[in-house]
Amino acid sequence: EVQLVQSGAELKKPGDSLKISCQTSGYNFAKIWIAWVRQKPGEGLEWMGIIYPGDSETRYSPSFQGQVSISADESAATAYVHWSALKPSDSAMYYCARLGRGATTIDYWGQGTLLTVSS
Amino acid sequence: QSALTQPASVSGSPGQSITISCTGTSSDIGFYNYVSWYQQLPGKAPKLILYDVTNRPSGVSNRFSGSKSGNMASLTISGIQAEDEADYFCSAYTNNRSLQVLGTGTKVSVL
Repeated sequence: EVQLVQSGAELKKPGDSLKISCQTSGYNFAKIWIAWVRQKPGEGLEWMGIIYPGDSETRYSPSFQGQVSISADESAATAYVHWSALKPSDSAMYYCARLGRGATTIDYWGQGTLLTVSS
Repeated sequence: QSALTQPASVSGSPGQSITISCTGTSSDIGFYNYVSWYQQLPGKAPKLILYDVTNRPSGVSNRFSGSKSGNMASLTISGIQAEDEADYFCSAYTNNRSLQVLGTGTKVSVL
């Protein structure tokens, strides 16, 4: 059974650094793209970027380039998003998701990680 | 790449059918038969309900159906029920480096 299990909710202060995780199981992690998606309260889904764990090729959406860093640890079958200096505007729910069927669909989603950035 | 365009809200009475549109471009919906739809119940993660325009994953109700014409795809919910109240998003495979483009989302209300 394919599963994507994300790390728990975070409460951080502006300027803090943070890395959240998405631990996968039930499939060959190295061979399938993983995406990160942001959702602010009451808003739609925003595509942050994708990573191919097998070679760590990473592609960022223009809005998120330079704002976050996406990485993956093949040995742990886990993907990450890292912020070096959080801002209040980073407060949102973050989802990881698997691009299945040759990246033609998003077939499995993590349960989400809620990030709150507040002084 | 711009998001796929969906209506902000659609509503219907129990038992009626409703249709949600998803408009893209010739680089995504118009070029490939790889349109997907997701249901996001309140407080939950999105869940895949249709892929490859018309295919339902195992366990998804056959009241959900999809179609595509040109640069526009549609999701139809037949015999809508209270449990169908949710946000619905489309996505499409694209020849852009992002591989997928997401829709703006539609809130479905059952009157």
